[in-house]
Amino acid sequence: AQSVTQLGSHVSVSEGALVLLRCNYSSSVPPYLFWYVQYPNQGLQLLLKYTTGATLVKGINGFEAEFKKSETSFHLTKPSAHMSDAAEYFCAVSPNAGGTSYGKLTFGQGTILTVHP
Amino acid sequence: DAGVIQSPRHEVTEMGQEVTLRCKPISGHNSLFWYRQTMMRGLELLIYFNNNVPIDDSGMPEDRFSAKMPNASFSTLKIQPSEPRDSAVYFCASSSSAGTQYFGPGTRLLVL
Repeated sequence: AQSVTQLGSHVSVSEGALVLLRCNYSSSVPPYLFWYVQYPNQGLQLLLKYTTGATLVKGINGFEAEFKKSETSFHLTKPSAHMSDAAEYFCAVSPNAGGTSYGKLTFGQGTILTVHP
Repeated sequence: DAGVIQSPRHEVTEMGQEVTLRCKPISGHNSLFWYRQTMMRGLELLIYFNNNVPIDDSGMPEDRFSAKMPNASFSTLKIQPSEPRDSAVYFCASSSSAGTQYFGPGTRLLVL
């Protein structure tokens, strides 16, 4: 069984400030972890993913996330926020084992990021 | 390359009517997923297919919902009869064996 908890349904930052969106997961098998972004009235776009290997993952638009197994976390960061980063962000987990559950994503509830000028 | 294509983008219908949502996955992808997004429940997986075969439909809310994938390039999600509580945004996503899911733009359904 898997679950994802995103801490904070709304995060507000100033333009140029650090962005930190928190994600904790629970998984009975080693996980694949994802961050997706959703702009208003659009579908979800993949920002980055962790499968195996390096625990610090870099994605598009200057975002990165670090997989910390001991903390069961996969927090998303960006050093300097831009107005165009305003969107809703979803953390998701899927098992990386084979079988019928492969690829089945479980999403967090989402975090709306607001960027102030 | 074209991404996942969904139609219609918007659908307004009356309670009791049949609604059919359509999805064309990315060419070469062998898995297809249907999700529903609402304010109250967030993103929920309804059903997914692997190589055109339904693998897990445990998220389908009730018998009014059905999904088919007659071939590798087309899937439908049907609601019959529709109810106001079915109003939501329905997303289709596809993936290859590598696992990353790519989402379509969604169909915004309003049942009056």
